[in-house]
Amino acid sequence: DADVTQTPRNRITKTGKRIMLECSQTKGHDRMYWYRQDPGLGLRLIYYSFDVKDINKGEISDGYSVSRQAQAKFSLSLESAIPNQTALYFCATSDRQEPQETQYFGPGTRLLVL
Amino acid sequence: GNSVTQMEGPVTLSEEAFLTINCTYTATGYPSLFWYVQYPGEGLQLLLKATKADDKGSNKGFEATYRKETTSFHLEKGSVQVSDSAVYFCALSPHFLTGNQFYFGTGTSLTVIP
Repeated sequence: DADVTQTPRNRITKTGKRIMLECSQTKGHDRMYWYRQDPGLGLRLIYYSFDVKDINKGEISDGYSVSRQAQAKFSLSLESAIPNQTALYFCATSDRQEPQETQYFGPGTRLLVL
Repeated sequence: GNSVTQMEGPVTLSEEAFLTINCTYTATGYPSLFWYVQYPGEGLQLLLKATKADDKGSNKGFEATYRKETTSFHLEKGSVQVSDSAVYFCALSPHFLTGNQFYFGTGTSLTVIP
């Protein structure tokens, strides 16, 4: 089984709808991240969490919110989806016990907002 | 601040050709450097990493040397295969005293033709 899983893998929604992307991990890591990937822009950090009670905004948090329900679960919500949020979304985890924080990625969620 | 700049693609090579993908960085302190690879339809996978100056990371025939004097971490492979076709991301993890975020380059797409 994969260490970092994301659901759904693909999602089509309409402008104005609220949607949630979910991430689960079995690696036992404290830290979790949400990124979006756009062609030509690489990965940009949306939110990150260093433990259940620690949530931080990343580079592009506007229009997004997150919830860290447990150490193993980190959800990303789009409160009112808009077309420019069409992108590939990745969840990642890392372990502060590693000397220099390697990040481990899920398979991604492809989101299309019509 | 922290940032990563990598050569723009796409790069197209014939099988068995030599590969170089350039990556330079700006960082405060002593970061760790990474190369991630993204195969079509998949998430990012760690390819190799280096945690201090002059370290060489290597995996699957790929190598990169952490050059502090030139602030570079160029990816090389002596003989590419069709299966190496993917997008390659250079990334930086700051020293824990100077920052927590992970910084990615924009990615370089590689296509290897038979």
